[in-house]
Amino acid sequence: DAKTTQPNSMESNEEEPVHLPCNHSTISGTDYIHWYRQLPSQGPEYVIHGLTSNVNNRMASLAIAEDRKSSTLILHRATLRDAAVYYCILRELQGGSEKLVFGKGTKLTVNP
Amino acid sequence: NAGVTQTPKFRVLKTGQSMTLLCAQDMNHEYMYWYRQDPGMGLRLIHYSVGEGTTAKGEVPDGYNVSRLKKQNFLLGLESAAPSQTSVYFCASSAYYRRPTNSPLHFGNGTRLTVT
Repeated sequence: DAKTTQPNSMESNEEEPVHLPCNHSTISGTDYIHWYRQLPSQGPEYVIHGLTSNVNNRMASLAIAEDRKSSTLILHRATLRDAAVYYCILRELQGGSEKLVFGKGTKLTVNP
Repeated sequence: NAGVTQTPKFRVLKTGQSMTLLCAQDMNHEYMYWYRQDPGMGLRLIHYSVGEGTTAKGEVPDGYNVSRLKKQNFLLGLESAAPSQTSVYFCASSAYYRRPTNSPLHFGNGTRLTVT
């Protein structure tokens, strides 16, 4: 199973950009990079995903390194509601194992 | 459209008792998953299913059994509950991987289980 590595915690100030890194050095060419977040006392929710090109949606942006061995989730203006645990996982396009492993994620603290 | 619904939301068991957690999804998703979450441990995959009638082991399957008799339901069973199974359990579902969007996982709101 391809694995990802994330910092345990990060801190940001409200209304400032946040860059959450994820390393996935063993990624294969057919793995999608998915990001989820989990707000306190809730189930995880989908944030964004991508394969090779950078991606934007209403919640965040995903920047993928050219060699695809790392990616960065970008929150352009952090709000207090963005305080959550953020998970980066890999998912195979070709439908290999669906043994989707989440790990511990990065706990983001947003200061007012 | 309810998405992923987990029942019950809370449960307290005594050691040795059995119970079944139900996960139901109304999105016609092929894939379903059971995770547990303990403080400081993140999400750990217990079992998963890639279609009706199929199941597979995840990272921490011991002490749990699952069944997927209907496409919309994924049951997680504890035959003889132990205090180590005190946790929050999350169910998730996803569409077939070949969809162009490589569909994301949709999670339920969790079941908080305490085993005394």
